[in-house]
Amino acid sequence: ETGVTQSPTHLIKTRGQQVTLRCSSQSGHNTVSWYQQALGQGPQFIFQYYREEENGRGNFPPRFSGLQFPNYSSELNVNALELDDSALYLCASSRLLAGVTTDTQYFGPGTRLTVL
Amino acid sequence: AQSVTQPDIHITVSEGASLELRCNYSYGATPYLFWYVQSPGQGLQLLLKYFSGDTLVQGIKGFEAEFKRSQSSFNLRKPSVHWSDAAEYFCAVGALMDSNYQLIWGAGTKLIIKP
Repeated sequence: ETGVTQSPTHLIKTRGQQVTLRCSSQSGHNTVSWYQQALGQGPQFIFQYYREEENGRGNFPPRFSGLQFPNYSSELNVNALELDDSALYLCASSRLLAGVTTDTQYFGPGTRLTVL
Repeated sequence: AQSVTQPDIHITVSEGASLELRCNYSYGATPYLFWYVQSPGQGLQLLLKYFSGDTLVQGIKGFEAEFKRSQSSFNLRKPSVHWSDAAEYFCAVGALMDSNYQLIWGAGTKLIIKP
């Protein structure tokens, strides 16, 4: 059984650019959630994807968008990068059961994004 | 509003001593509760979880946590810490928000181990 993987590990971008982060979910999982973790803080929920559709969203602007593919892997896209977007971006996979993800979320190692 | 509070930003404990990390939550229904650990620059590893049943939950690496509904708490404990336990610990609540299930996180407690 493979765990959750994320790529790239680190990324440096400049303000105004666009970035795409990738996540492969754990075997048997059908749901991917994305989190932003600023330095010294807990993770903040960005959104969740199930069956290739957004299934819940936190308090993030529309320039944060995502995709989920038929193999349940996912992408997080951020347009018009701002300095405050610098953070560790975490992906977590889980199983959606009966419409509610009550199963445990398993996290990847994260992508460290630095915006200059 | 749903929230999770970890009142201690840092805790310093001597190696071999016992540990208790505090977590309080605010949520109207019965919560799903989690403790995760994060080593520097790493992702989050699940230590233990509570969904229902026995309020004392055993996890990995010798950790346990006790759900106390009356106190809205889910404190993490370990009888004897090891230097390798130095990390940041996060408490989280699984909650329904706008009909969607989310994890709501505390700000974390950084555990420092004295030799």
